[in-house]
Amino acid sequence: ETGVTQTPRHLVMGMTNKKSLKCEQHLGHNAMYWYKQSAKKPLELMFVYSLEERVENNSVPSRFSPECPNSSHLFLHLHTLQPEDSALYLCASSQDSQAAGRSDTQYFGPGTRLTVL
Amino acid sequence: QQPVQSPQAVILREGEDAVINCSSSKALYSVHWYRQKHGEAPVFLMILLKGGEQKGHEKISASFNEKKQQSSLYLTASQLSYSGTYFCGTELSTDSWGKFQFGAGTQVVVTP
Repeated sequence: ETGVTQTPRHLVMGMTNKKSLKCEQHLGHNAMYWYKQSAKKPLELMFVYSLEERVENNSVPSRFSPECPNSSHLFLHLHTLQPEDSALYLCASSQDSQAAGRSDTQYFGPGTRLTVL
Repeated sequence: QQPVQSPQAVILREGEDAVINCSSSKALYSVHWYRQKHGEAPVFLMILLKGGEQKGHEKISASFNEKKQQSSLYLTASQLSYSGTYFCGTELSTDSWGKFQFGAGTQVVVTP
């Protein structure tokens, strides 16, 4: 496997279910991200992990809970979601170095299409 | 603050040129450009850092006007493969972890 992979690719869940999204990067990067992409809305950054520590949480509802056990894996745990949470959830990774400047390319996975009934 | 992209959409004939703009009300450290085709993940095109650098990717180039806090993406002699939605992403500083924000996107359709 190369690049950034995400599973599952599609997920349908009820509002009372608990599920998890998985992201794995094979690029040797040290930062990983979760984004939400809703129809007709800009990409929204949800969580950032750098060196397995959460750096930023952009006021995402607590029904979304991220986990980063190591630099290659990122999870998004979902519970008691709402229909408006239906969206494409994208994972990305990058190699970030403060010494070289923060800015670096983010490589995206294919996304998980989530539908909440 | 989310960057503003214009136009929202553009339709081109193959071989024509187009310009997409990305503007910010705040001073930018960098601008990233991505293209996303329907049903696929965004793909990185290029990064521009403050200092007015101009970069290129195939026949797609971009510039960064630091005075205007605006980046422009130039699609030259467009090809059918250029169709998709183009997003700019902006960073305000090198320590703006997690404050990376995307514009709403510009839909580009290239017709034969």
